[in-house]
Amino acid sequence: AQSVTQLDSHVSVSEGTPVLLRCNYSSSYSPSLFWYVQHPNKGLQLLLKYTSAATLVKGINGFEAEFKKSETSFHLTKPSAHMSDAAEYFCVVSDKAKNFVFGPGTRLSVLP
Amino acid sequence: KAGVTQTPRYLIKTRGQQVTLSCSPISGHRSVSWYQQTPGQGLQFLFEYFSETQRNKGNFPGRFSGRQFSNSRSEMNVSTLELGDSALYLCASSDRQGAADTQYFGPGTRLTVL
Repeated sequence: AQSVTQLDSHVSVSEGTPVLLRCNYSSSYSPSLFWYVQHPNKGLQLLLKYTSAATLVKGINGFEAEFKKSETSFHLTKPSAHMSDAAEYFCVVSDKAKNFVFGPGTRLSVLP
Repeated sequence: KAGVTQTPRYLIKTRGQQVTLSCSPISGHRSVSWYQQTPGQGLQFLFEYFSETQRNKGNFPGRFSGRQFSNSRSEMNVSTLELGDSALYLCASSDRQGAADTQYFGPGTRLTVL
């Protein structure tokens, strides 16, 4: 069965510094992977997705993620954090039935 | 295109009552999935409907049910509400095509059971 581990439940960075949110997955086949962001009291917004076309995936708002099969990782990065990036981030793996399996989430705080 | 809409946005019920939540997918999307989000359990898959048929089901009791109409709109029903059913219920739609079936989420319905 597919599963997702997000190694940090909370990450705190200063505005203007890099962001790294870590995600490891377990899958018995080549998966599709996603990152979603959820702002308080809002639904989930797609940041980016990996579909085996390219290992480095660029998303919205300056975020990108790199798929590393050997490490079963799909970490999310951004060179410079903005206050508006403060939110909950979810790493998602799509299983064989194309259902979403969510990680537990990482709460990102951005300090002024 | 308009996004996924969910109604109502907020709901307060008491134990033992039942509730129906509604979801309108993005135009042209035939798949609708439902998720429950709680602080303790995170995001959990409830079920998916595709062309009016339930295609997948998560590990929830039979009190949770749903249906989909011919226009792809979906409803989710929870009967005999329990305090633990308090959660944010999210609906997502997909066109179910391609290697990665991106799901687009609505804003959710916040259900509080007293």
